[in-house]
Amino acid sequence: KQEVTQIPAALSVPEGENLVLNCSFTDSAIYNLQWFRQDPGKGLTSLLLIQSSQREQTSGRLNASLDKSSGRSTLYIAASQPGDSATYLCAVRLAGGGADGLTFGKGTHLIIQP
Amino acid sequence: DAGVIQSPRHEVTEMGQEVTLRCKPISGHDYLFWYRQTMMRGLELLIYFNNNVPIDDSGMPEDRFSAKMPNASFSTLKIQPSEPRDSAVYFCASSPGTRGNTIYFGEGSWLTVV
Repeated sequence: KQEVTQIPAALSVPEGENLVLNCSFTDSAIYNLQWFRQDPGKGLTSLLLIQSSQREQTSGRLNASLDKSSGRSTLYIAASQPGDSATYLCAVRLAGGGADGLTFGKGTHLIIQP
Repeated sequence: DAGVIQSPRHEVTEMGQEVTLRCKPISGHDYLFWYRQTMMRGLELLIYFNNNVPIDDSGMPEDRFSAKMPNASFSTLKIQPSEPRDSAVYFCASSPGTRGNTIYFGEGSWLTVV
């Protein structure tokens, strides 16, 4: 059974810092990996999607990397801003037949101090 | 497109009552997923449909839970009878017809059973 772990569970940093969120998964037979953002009381917003054949994806100040063989992904946030405060969730989609849903980590709760 | 639409957004009900949650996926999406989010267990996949057909319901916690998708634009998740431990946020999500695509989430239905 696929397990997804996110470290750290919570992080508080001053505004302007660059930071890295970590995600690991136990089964490397994945179709893709997605990073989501969840604001309090809201749904999930997709930030970046990395296909299993890709190494990284970038969107603005966000960069996500994928090392499928080692079962790891990182989300890099450059020049953090208070508006980046949210919970960040990593999820993998398995490549096996019938396993189409996402398996989620429990998230990293991020606070950016003004 | 309006995105994935869920209703109700919030519901408070008494133990033993029937609860029906509704979802309208993004038009043209072939996959529909129901997830449940709790503090203790994070996001869990309950069931998913492909072209209106239930594919995997192994995440449905017990027989009190049922889900239907009578057509491509509507799905329901029903809990009967409801119990306090069913209190959670229930998310509906949809994605286009291949696994390589992003999964889009609704805003969630916040259920409290008292």
